[in-house]
Amino acid sequence: KQEVTQIPAALSVPEGENLVLNCSFTDSAIYNLQWFRQDPGKGLTSLLLIQSSQREQTSGRLNASLDKSSGRSTLYIAASQPGDSATYLCVLTQGGSEKLVFGKGMKLTVNP
Amino acid sequence: NAGVTQTPKFRVLKTGQSMTLLCAQDMNHEYMYWYRQDPGMGLRLIHYSVGEGTTAKGEVPDGYNVSRLKKQNFLLGLESAAPSQTSVYFCASSYFLPGHRNEQFFGPGTRLTVL
Repeated sequence: KQEVTQIPAALSVPEGENLVLNCSFTDSAIYNLQWFRQDPGKGLTSLLLIQSSQREQTSGRLNASLDKSSGRSTLYIAASQPGDSATYLCVLTQGGSEKLVFGKGMKLTVNP
Repeated sequence: NAGVTQTPKFRVLKTGQSMTLLCAQDMNHEYMYWYRQDPGMGLRLIHYSVGEGTTAKGEVPDGYNVSRLKKQNFLLGLESAAPSQTSVYFCASSYFLPGHRNEQFFGPGTRLTVL
């Protein structure tokens, strides 16, 4: 059974730091992997999607990488800002399945 | 495009009451999903649909029913609400074509409290 782990569960950093958020998964047979952001009381906003054939995707200050062989994905946030404070979720689609597998998320706080 | 919308945004029920949550998407997606999100539990799949007229059980289907009479709508019903169903409910949709991105889109959520 596929399991997605995000460690640590929470992180607090000063503004301006470059951050690496980690996601690990147990089964490398994935179709794609998405990183979402969730603000308190809000829905999930898609940040980046990496297909299984890709190694990384970039959007602005965000860069996501995927290493299927080691079962890892990282989300890199450059020059963090207080507005980056949110919960970040790693979500993957298992190969051959229409279902998603969710990590439990990492709550990020960026202090001014 | 409105994307994925959910109705209502908030609702308070008494134990034993029934209600229906509506999810609508305007992206012509085949796949639609209902999740619940509880503190410390993450998102859990309740039911899903891979096309109009089809539904399937997810991880936590008990106490819920669903219908997909139209491609753009996915309804989640609670026949007799229980306090354990107090949660935030999210709807999501996607298409699923081999070789494509198959990105998931989420609605804003419905916060349900059962007293």
